[in-house]
Amino acid sequence: EIVLTQSPGTLSLSPGERATLSCRASQSVSSSYLAWYQQKLGQAPRLLIYGASSRATGIPDRFSGSGSGTDFTLTISRLEPEDFAVYHCQQYGSSPLTFGGGTKVEIK
Amino acid sequence: QLQLQESGPGLVKPSETLSLTCTVSGGSISSSSYYWGWIRQPPGKGLEWIGSIYYSGSTYSNPSLKSRVTISVDTSKNQFSLKLSSVTAADTAVYYCARGELSTSAGAFDIWGQGTMVTVSS
Repeated sequence: EIVLTQSPGTLSLSPGERATLSCRASQSVSSSYLAWYQQKLGQAPRLLIYGASSRATGIPDRFSGSGSGTDFTLTISRLEPEDFAVYHCQQYGSSPLTFGGGTKVEIK
Repeated sequence: QLQLQESGPGLVKPSETLSLTCTVSGGSISSSSYYWGWIRQPPGKGLEWIGSIYYSGSTYSNPSLKSRVTISVDTSKNQFSLKLSSVTAADTAVYYCARGELSTSAGAFDIWGQGTMVTVSS
C-alpha cells in the first residue's frame, strides 16, 4: 500500500499569499496518477488536479500541481477567500487507492 | 449535468450490515469511460477508499476492510450499492459515492455525491 504523507498539517496564511502544500509517497506513484482535492466544511471533496499537474474542468489557474515519483506539490499562487479549506492528495495508480491525511489552509 | 446521491439508513447497529445506494442522474452508469467508487470519512479524519466497481462488473476493495465489502451495480435503476457487514463503531463515518473518470484523468474521482452520515450504535 502506498502511504501518502501531507505537510504541513495546517498552513496559516493571509488572502493574497502563496500556498505551497506537499504530498510525499512511500513509494513511486505510477504514471503520476496523483490527484488533489479541495474540501470545504460540510461538503464533498472537489477534484482540482489530476495526473499530478492537469487542472480539472473549471478550476482557476491560480491552482497548479507539480511533481513526480514520490514528491508532489500543490501551489495556490494567490489565496482567495474561498480557497481556505482542507486539501487532500490521492494516488490512483495502484490498489488500494490511498489518500493523504490532508492539509488545512486557514486564514491567518 | 451528472449528479450522484447517496441514500440509506443513518443508524446501523453493531454487528449488522450497512447498506447504501448511490443513484446516478443526468447520465448513464453504463459506460466504459467511468467506474464507480465508495469513499468514507470518519468524523474529523481523512478520506478512506472503500472500493470500486467497473463497467465490466469487476470490483476492487480496500484490503483493510477484508471481506466485509460488497459492491454491486443495477444498470436498470442507474444505481450502484455498498454493503459493509459486521459493522462496529469504527465504521461510523460520512460515506461518499463518486465517479472515477478513466479517459482524461485516468482514474481520478471527478464527481462526488454530497455524502451521507452513518452512525454505528446500539
